[in-house]
Amino acid sequence: QSALTQPASVSGSPGQSITISCTGTGSDVGGYYYVSWYQHHPGKAPKLIIYDVSDRPSGVSNRFSGSKSGNTASLTISGLRAEDEADYYCLSYTVSGGVIFGGGTKLTVL
Amino acid sequence: QVQLQESGPGLAKPSETLSLTCAVSGGSITSYYWNWVRQPAGKGLEWIGHIYSSGRTNYNSSLKNRVTMSVDTTNNQFSLKLTSVTAADTAVYYCARGGGRKWDPFDIWGQGTLVTVSS
Repeated sequence: QSALTQPASVSGSPGQSITISCTGTGSDVGGYYYVSWYQHHPGKAPKLIIYDVSDRPSGVSNRFSGSKSGNTASLTISGLRAEDEADYYCLSYTVSGGVIFGGGTKLTVL
Repeated sequence: QVQLQESGPGLAKPSETLSLTCAVSGGSITSYYWNWVRQPAGKGLEWIGHIYSSGRTNYNSSLKNRVTMSVDTTNNQFSLKLTSVTAADTAVYYCARGGGRKWDPFDIWGQGTLVTVSS
């Protein structure tokens, strides 16, 4: 099974908002509300920032939000900050009972 | 708080078996799904599979012929074995905690361990 489709890179200036898409199929993203997002700074452990499409774990800034429409989930980061520069991955539950990651998106804060 | 720590040889020879263990501290291994994820240099994250504390497993279909996961509830740890490794298996390997349901997110991760496959 191929990775979910994410843009390879996105960029934005401090204070702006950006959105990262994550496109799958009806067998994963479209079929379940079990999409999560992870922030990954190189050399560190990935960090959960959104789960169940739009819920935030305790301690995660409300600048991070998630949504889903059809087979595409989205992560929006508002009020961009330099520390948001990282790789972002979506993860979806699949009909096979496992999960699948997106290909990852590199966010550059200009 | 719960912490995960991967351990194992940092080098494996082609065609041999890669073996890693993830030690769970600060909490019980019981009633959770435990995952292995890897990231080759310059590439994205790839889910390898998960094991429930009861021993029930589910593997990535692209790796399932070579993967075996096991859990040791007595010592609060779980393990990964990947057979017939090649250079393509060179990656940073992470262990991560899921929830009590197989669709739960990965809320706690280990720091990762680099495994290089080379003769």
